[in-house]
Amino acid sequence: AQSVTQLGSHVSVSEGALVLLRCNYSSSVPPYLFWYVQYPNQGLQLLLKYTTGATLVKGINGFEAEFKKSETSFHLTKPSAHMSDAAEYFCAVRSAGGTSYGKLTFGQGTILTVHP
Amino acid sequence: DADVTQTPRNRITKTGKRIMLECSQTKGHDRMYWYRQDPGLGLRLIYYSFDVKDINKGEISDGYSVSRQAQAKFSLSLESAIPNQTALYFCATSDSGKGNTIYFGEGSWLTVV
Repeated sequence: AQSVTQLGSHVSVSEGALVLLRCNYSSSVPPYLFWYVQYPNQGLQLLLKYTTGATLVKGINGFEAEFKKSETSFHLTKPSAHMSDAAEYFCAVRSAGGTSYGKLTFGQGTILTVHP
Repeated sequence: DADVTQTPRNRITKTGKRIMLECSQTKGHDRMYWYRQDPGLGLRLIYYSFDVKDINKGEISDGYSVSRQAQAKFSLSLESAIPNQTALYFCATSDSGKGNTIYFGEGSWLTVV
């Protein structure tokens, strides 16, 4: 079985401040990890993903995430928040094998608010 | 035009009624999925299909059924809708690569009154 926990259902930052959204996962087999963003009244858009190789992954809109196997984490960061980053962010895990093969399991979501 | 199209985008239906949500994709992907989104719960998998002859239950399939009419079409049915099925429903697709991205439609808001 696989699962994802996002720490903090709401995160609030000031414009220009660091954004840190936390994600921890559990998976019995090597995971593929994803961050999606959902803007109001829209579907989900892929921000970035980790499959294999380099553990620091860069995505769109200045976001990046680092896969840390020892900590079972895949936290999302952005050095400087912009008002347009306000959205809900979802971390997701997809197993490379086992009974969860091919299925994407989502965390509960984190709503990011950016203050002027 | 969107690569993954869901219809209807919004629907209000009455308890006990049958409702179908349709999904079509132009990405040529083999795999299609139906997810449900509820506030604070993220997205949960209802059903998924890895090809036309393959249908699998997800974690919350009770009260739902699906049909994969063609590679590009995957519909979700609520045979007898109930109020706690009020949610935002997403169709999604991916190809068969292990780490490949899952692409989502824009969602269908369903309200059961």
